[in-house]
Amino acid sequence: ETGVTQTPRHLVMGMTNKKSLKCEQHLGHNAMYWYKQSAKKPLELMFVYNFKEQTENNSVPSRFSPECPNSSHLFLHLHTLQPEDSALYLCASSQEPRGGAYEQYFGPGTRLTVT
Amino acid sequence: KNEVEQSPQNLTAQEGEFITINCSYSVGISALHWLQQHPGGGIVSLFMLSSGKKKHGRLIATINIQEKHSSLHITASHPRDSAVYICAPFSSGSARQLTFGSGTQLTVLP
Repeated sequence: ETGVTQTPRHLVMGMTNKKSLKCEQHLGHNAMYWYKQSAKKPLELMFVYNFKEQTENNSVPSRFSPECPNSSHLFLHLHTLQPEDSALYLCASSQEPRGGAYEQYFGPGTRLTVT
Repeated sequence: KNEVEQSPQNLTAQEGEFITINCSYSVGISALHWLQQHPGGGIVSLFMLSSGKKKHGRLIATINIQEKHSSLHITASHPRDSAVYICAPFSSGSARQLTFGSGTQLTVLP
């Protein structure tokens, strides 16, 4: 496997279900990100992990819970979601130098539908 | 008002045409990404630039930091270039924070 992988690619879940999205990066990067892309809207940053520490949380509802057990893996745990949470969830990674901007590499995304 | 404005929102071109997509932003930035998103969702980074111009194959990206404007050009466009092109500046307040434009849907007809 190369680059950034995400599983599952498609997920349908009821509002009372609990599920998890998984992201794995094979690039040796030290920062990972979760983004949400809703229909007809720009990408929105949800969470940033740097060296396994959560460094940004863009006011995301608590029904989304991230987990970063190591610098290669990132999870997004989902529970009691709402239909408006249906979207494409994208994971990305980057190699963060000390200062400056970092090119981000994206996974293929998980298409989530909440029924 | 979105901090990042892209134009046009939709663009249809004939194969071989020269394409220009524009991006204007209102925030201070340290660098800017141009991203390509194909149907199905996957996103590919095309360029990251902080000044001047970069070229990769038929793609050229330019940025003018003072005017807060960037352009993406595609020469000799091809149907496989059909995708959504997204401009994403890194705000200078947080180098991790990308602000995304709404994207330009490009369709290149054979």
